[in-house]
Amino acid sequence: GEDVEQSLFLSVREGDSSVINCTYTDSSSTYLYWYKQEPGAGLQLLTYIFSNMDMKQDQRLTVLLNKKDKHLSLRIADTQTGDSAIYFCAEKYGGATNKLIFGTGTLLAVQP
Amino acid sequence: DTAVSQTPKYLVTQMGNDKSIKCEQNLGHDTMYWYKQDSKKFLKIMFSYNNKELIINETVPNRFSPKSPDKAHLNLHINSLELGDSAVYFCASSQFTEETQYFGPGTRLLVL
Repeated sequence: GEDVEQSLFLSVREGDSSVINCTYTDSSSTYLYWYKQEPGAGLQLLTYIFSNMDMKQDQRLTVLLNKKDKHLSLRIADTQTGDSAIYFCAEKYGGATNKLIFGTGTLLAVQP
Repeated sequence: DTAVSQTPKYLVTQMGNDKSIKCEQNLGHDTMYWYKQDSKKFLKIMFSYNNKELIINETVPNRFSPKSPDKAHLNLHINSLELGDSAVYFCASSQFTEETQYFGPGTRLLVL
């Protein structure tokens, strides 16, 4: 199957941590990604993790991967109003092509 | 310099018309993609070309025809536009052997 699921909405206060969750179905995925889409804008790659890793940290971003449960999360520390956007997780499909299967997107709203 | 560019940025047209949207990348990548993002923000792969050869062709109506004149360009021609074609179309590129796809800013198509 090619389903990637995310909760639709997350609201946090400025300065708090945000955790955005994602579940995927293709156990042969090699890479998993987080993209950010600001209103009216394109997709910006935030970070990615290789499937043999459990965790990756990049400044305020921490990605956790639980391969057994096919669960991916993105933690944003000290969330700012500029982090308000839609966040998409994506898996690189394990077949012969490079296609990305995107999640449904999580709208992060940061309250001042 | 913009890495992945798309033209036009916005396109408003009548049902039944034929239109093209263009994508260019200056990253030296060998693979390019078209994705469609609908009004609910769902993002789905449509086509992919590797070295000008079609490698991904998802379940897309025949009215959509991609063309890759060279590795740096991927165009999308749409015949007999329908209301349901209204969406944001994103182009992306990557090096096939590498993990990251870079997205263009999107073309917002509105069919009236």
